[in-house]
Amino acid sequence: DTGVSQDPRHKITKRGQNVTFRCDPISEHNRLYWYRQTLGQGPEFLTYFQNEAQLEKSRLLSDRFSAERPKGSFSTLEIQRTEQGDSAMYLCASSPPTGANTEAFFGQGTRLTVV
Amino acid sequence: GDSVTQMEGPVTLSEEAFLTINCTYTATGYPSLFWYVQYPGEGLQLLLKATKADDKGSNKGFEATYRKETTSFHLEKGSVQVSDSAVYFCALSDRGGGSQGNLIFGKGTKLSVKP
Repeated sequence: DTGVSQDPRHKITKRGQNVTFRCDPISEHNRLYWYRQTLGQGPEFLTYFQNEAQLEKSRLLSDRFSAERPKGSFSTLEIQRTEQGDSAMYLCASSPPTGANTEAFFGQGTRLTVV
Repeated sequence: GDSVTQMEGPVTLSEEAFLTINCTYTATGYPSLFWYVQYPGEGLQLLLKATKADDKGSNKGFEATYRKETTSFHLEKGSVQVSDSAVYFCALSDRGGGSQGNLIFGKGTKLSVKP
């Protein structure tokens, strides 16, 4: 499968614990995005990487959230001291360098439940 | 800020019925517009897009026309099939050239097509 891969698919954690999600983009896609989707809502943009550089962060990304893409390939999203309001689907997407077709390809997401 | 409003669902249709899902947007510049589809158990997929006024995007029998005068991008299909059952998201990007980074999504419309 050469699509965007996210791990784990599901995560249940207790409030106050830290969690980390991983995203493996499509090979050679230099752009990587994180979104959050809560029940009944559309995805909301969190942050964007071009190669290893984090170029944009939404105000939704509080200081408990941190994202990295150390070698410009896979990315991790960490949430510290989780809260019940963090329960959501976390989506990763990747796209190739700017060109004729810059379609963003989405992974299936990691569903986080904070209890 | 920029936003997308789409008709609330769920929408239930019989096979071969005509489909319209309304989408309007608010943007300060000249956004690119997209429809994404999420089939059950799968990730978001780009269905069609339009990058400038009066452009018509089309794919799999679906169409949508970028109407700047009415700030709309309504999704239509002449004859739906059971396999079209999914959640449909309207989205915009204020990045140029049809880039799909930093997308702003509507809340989604769930379509169910009955045989």
